[in-house]
Amino acid sequence: GAGVSQSPSNKVTEKGKDVELRCDPISGHTALYWYRQSLGQGLEFLIYFQGNSAPDKSGLPSDRFSAERTGGSVSTLTIQRTQQEDSAVYLCASSQPGALRDTQYFGPGTRLTVL
Amino acid sequence: QQQVKQSPQSLIVQKGGISIINCAYENTAFDYFPWYQQFPGKGPALLIAIRPDVSEKKEGRFTISFNKSAKQFSLHIMDSQPGDSATYFCAASKKGYSGAGSYQLTFGKGTKLSVIP
Repeated sequence: GAGVSQSPSNKVTEKGKDVELRCDPISGHTALYWYRQSLGQGLEFLIYFQGNSAPDKSGLPSDRFSAERTGGSVSTLTIQRTQQEDSAVYLCASSQPGALRDTQYFGPGTRLTVL
Repeated sequence: QQQVKQSPQSLIVQKGGISIINCAYENTAFDYFPWYQQFPGKGPALLIAIRPDVSEKKEGRFTISFNKSAKQFSLHIMDSQPGDSATYFCAASKKGYSGAGSYQLTFGKGTKLSVIP
């Protein structure tokens, strides 16, 4: 596709509910990253996928957070039993190993608000 | 532990002036230093990046200066324009993770730049 897309663009949920956030990376990009952007913490790394595998989950803040990637393409970030501190913008980025392998292209993000 | 420190938090520059944003890092394993530009409601977009084997990189009005010994790097925006008003993030990454190629970015906290006419 033309760029990284994410859905929904906005999500409002009640504390304790589960949410799923979706990322469609740039076609052909094998690497996919999730980041969280919040006012107090800036941009923080959450998880990295290479293909369908997640060799680096070191940024996930708790076991309420999980992610998967299928077909080497679409990824879903799931937050269970949401808390107010989960409110943030969740950003997805993809990249393609090669000469410009470090260039990560970001989607527009999903703004999550937990009431 | 904040691995990449960015300053200032906000910056106001007159049109045509030079905007300078500074970053300092702690981890000597970092080997790639990009700058991202973010407009409200949008994701960050890569502006310019540098590796530690060079001390300066210039692309149009944007220049990165890199000081490896001081573990500092900075972004200079020459002839700043109102359209440059955005939030700028410095970042750093290091060689992947067990050969699996994770180049996760560690970001500074951002600088909100306002260029006034």
